[in-house]
Amino acid sequence: DAKTTQPPSMDCAEGRAANLPCNHSTISGNEYVYWYRQIHSQGPQYIIHGLKNNETNEMASLIITEDRKSSTLILPHATLRDTAVYYCIVSRYSGGGADGLTFGKGTHLIIQP
Amino acid sequence: SQTIHQWPATLVQPVGSPLSLECTVEGTSNPNLYWYRQAAGRGLQLLFYSVGIGQISSEVPQNLSASRPQDRQFILSSKKLLLSDSGFYLCAWGSYGYTFGSGTRLTVV
Repeated sequence: DAKTTQPPSMDCAEGRAANLPCNHSTISGNEYVYWYRQIHSQGPQYIIHGLKNNETNEMASLIITEDRKSSTLILPHATLRDTAVYYCIVSRYSGGGADGLTFGKGTHLIIQP
Repeated sequence: SQTIHQWPATLVQPVGSPLSLECTVEGTSNPNLYWYRQAAGRGLQLLFYSVGIGQISSEVPQNLSASRPQDRQFILSSKKLLLSDSGFYLCAWGSYGYTFGSGTRLTVV
């Protein structure tokens, strides 16, 4: 699976949109981009994933560049409860790929009141 | 709906003692199951995965073992714990977006 690069930390004001970048320049054509987050002392939580098109759900939006070498996770109206470590992961499986997901160090997003 | 249960939430064990952590999944059949470990200040490391009963794959050599005696049950074990086994252990079920359990924080003293 391709490797991802994320900034180690980011701050965002409460109520503003949080934009978390991820670089995956070696992504293959059949690999998906996944986003998870981990709130302190809890298990990771699935947020969203996509292949080529932008995606939106009740939690966030995922913007993937046309060349698929980078993506941005957008939390439209950040709250204090969105403070967490956010992981960007690339995987060739759309579902439960047998050999699991590889987590990097992620971005520690801190929402400021 | 599908749910994943993991217990205990916290555990303190002496060095050399055995370990057994259990994970069960409800609401699905033949799930892919995973054990991850997160050491203090470090990222999530995949330890084991299983695609079916009795089928276990190990990602890293270690002091731990895993078993899958039933379709929706995944167990992490050790015969003799080491200090380095301390960490946050997470069970996950692989589907359209992985679902993680609430984790077990193991401290080996």
